[in-house]
Amino acid sequence: DAVLTQSPLSLPVNLGQPASISCRSSQSLVYSNGVTFLNWFHQRPGQSPRRLIYKVSIRDSGVPDRFSGSGSDTNFTLKISGVEAEDVGVYYCMQATHWPVTFGQGTKVEIK
Amino acid sequence: QVQLVQSGPEVKRPGASLKVSCKSSGYSFTDYHITWVRQAPGQGLEWMGWISTDSGDTNYAQKFQGRVTMTAESSTNTTYMELRGLTSDDTAIYFCTRGSSSCDSWGQGSLVTVSS
Repeated sequence: DAVLTQSPLSLPVNLGQPASISCRSSQSLVYSNGVTFLNWFHQRPGQSPRRLIYKVSIRDSGVPDRFSGSGSDTNFTLKISGVEAEDVGVYYCMQATHWPVTFGQGTKVEIK
Repeated sequence: QVQLVQSGPEVKRPGASLKVSCKSSGYSFTDYHITWVRQAPGQGLEWMGWISTDSGDTNYAQKFQGRVTMTAESSTNTTYMELRGLTSDDTAIYFCTRGSSSCDSWGQGSLVTVSS
């Protein structure tokens, strides 16, 4: 299985400050067609996950542009340029390049 | 708009079976697979598998093979996930989500509690 390791697992941030979450894979996430199936999700307490980013860096409709995804091969990053109160919750990376689909452990973002 | 609406919470005895439903609307049902993901209390997300709503083909996580069955009913735009032989470890919120790799829209989740 492609193991996804997120860091940090807990991320206290001051409002307005940037935040960065790493997601590292045990295998390359480049599919045979050249596409990298790496998504990022945000889950607020008591809510369903919401997809923010797909295929490494494509932002979903309605997602604020303070969120950005980058990376390649085995190393990926989600950045928030300036954290807002509504950004608290847990962030997960997910890969769908390899079977089975796997998720990272999650990174909990909270306001200091 | 795309909506996935799931069935309500359930309490099950150990050894029983559960069947969760997920009704899709706002898009062409057979154009997208449905994936099932579960989340144990306080834990992360766990992929269970997907079903092609067009062909009925399924792809289950090895952990659940032999114990899970996913079905799709195009007449009602509804997908079902049945899990048998429940134990307390199956206590979780079960989510359906659209797509086999995209997971772009999610149901509200169905809480299943397994307790004697």
